[in-house]
Amino acid sequence: DGGITQSPKYLFRKEGQNVTLSCEQNLNHDAMYWYRQDPGQGLRLIYYSQIVNDFQKGDIAEGYSVSREKKESFPLTVTSAQKNPTAFYLCASSISPGGTGELFFGEGSRLTVL
Amino acid sequence: QKEVEQDPGPLSVPEGAIVSLNCTYSNSAFQYFMWYRQYSRKGPELLMYTYSSGNKEDGRFTAQVDKSSKYISLFIRDSQPSDSATYLCAMIPTDSWGKFQFGAGTQVVVTP
Repeated sequence: DGGITQSPKYLFRKEGQNVTLSCEQNLNHDAMYWYRQDPGQGLRLIYYSQIVNDFQKGDIAEGYSVSREKKESFPLTVTSAQKNPTAFYLCASSISPGGTGELFFGEGSRLTVL
Repeated sequence: QKEVEQDPGPLSVPEGAIVSLNCTYSNSAFQYFMWYRQYSRKGPELLMYTYSSGNKEDGRFTAQVDKSSKYISLFIRDSQPSDSATYLCAMIPTDSWGKFQFGAGTQVVVTP
């Protein structure tokens, strides 16, 4: 079945450590996204990518980094520079770089900083 | 002020009732509108996708868009306990690729 796979589902990190969240899709979608979800807030865009080897900052990119070396993969690194990293992270993809296509989401990764 | 406003709820209804959800927005450039359902600790699932103004029906779900009032709605008929979830509205303008804007989500509880 086609879909988006995020791993790990739960992750604990000590302050000062970098962590990388994995996102893999087999939908053959061109565009991929990372969102952060906090209680009582809408999804906020961290980074997005229209094509391989290209990505753009979203609204809250500070303290995060991404890469897009393969069409199927869009990993997110939460660096120690991110001041409040505890959150639910969602990866998404859409078929069209034209921007009007529907978003499809993975199951999410919950990061907790100890 | 947020571009998309959505009442967080919770909205509690008895089984079989109609659930009425809505979002308001401020950017008149929004042209594509979506509703997502999100169960606890899961990723959002696309329910409805509409373009511009009008109605769209899919089974028990009806989405309405009123661009003149900058207002979108989702109705769920014959609600079931399995409809208990958070419902997110989302929209995207034609002039800002990739910049989907989401409401904060409305928590719905359907009681048996």
